[in-house]
Amino acid sequence: EAGVTQSPTHLIKTRGQQATLRCSPISGHTSVYWYQQALGLGLQFLLWYDEGEERNRGNFPPRFSGRQFPNYSSELNVNALELEDSALYLCASSPDWGTGGAARTNEQFFGPGTRLTVL
Amino acid sequence: RKEVEQDPGPFNVPEGATVAFNCTYSNSASQSFFWYRQDCRKEPKLLMSVYSSGNEDGRFTAQLNRASQYISLLIRDSKLSDSATYLCVVNFNTGGFKTIFGAGTRLFVKA
Repeated sequence: EAGVTQSPTHLIKTRGQQATLRCSPISGHTSVYWYQQALGLGLQFLLWYDEGEERNRGNFPPRFSGRQFPNYSSELNVNALELEDSALYLCASSPDWGTGGAARTNEQFFGPGTRLTVL
Repeated sequence: RKEVEQDPGPFNVPEGATVAFNCTYSNSASQSFFWYRQDCRKEPKLLMSVYSSGNEDGRFTAQLNRASQYISLLIRDSKLSDSATYLCVVNFNTGGFKTIFGAGTRLFVKA
């Protein structure tokens, strides 16, 4: 079974430009999560999409945005890039969160990441 | 106070040793818990979920203490290949579902 895939592997941009990162979840998974991991730091939650809707976002400015497509793949857009946006951006997927308020274990499976460098 | 806290280490242990990591969380409404491992410059990989009754997977044992709000990971008979960063993960649903990763505990297993 194919895992989570991300593209591109590496991305180099300059300050003020826009970056678009892509993620394809594991087949059958409907939830996609985006995280930022700056060098030497922990994972910071960015965004969560489920069934095409943004369900939650972390403490990041609005220039970080994204969307989820009908096939559950997702795109992360970062506008007006700043030097401190340089980081590894990780995408994870998990099975359907479900409805009715039932708690789910929500195990997340990660892609290899996109390393964004802002010059 | 951070929502999820881990001792960053590093823990330096010889092969065959037993090592334990703790992770504390601040939100009492936390619902699910995991340990991930992350190798240098790689993505995190799920190691194991943590259940209320405790669970074991080979050399790895995870436990949850809701009263004291911490989870633990015990590694027995450490191998060189266990060298990695171990991330504690907590999910909670307060004002929206959130996943919080700890900053990780670095483990070095030496020959």
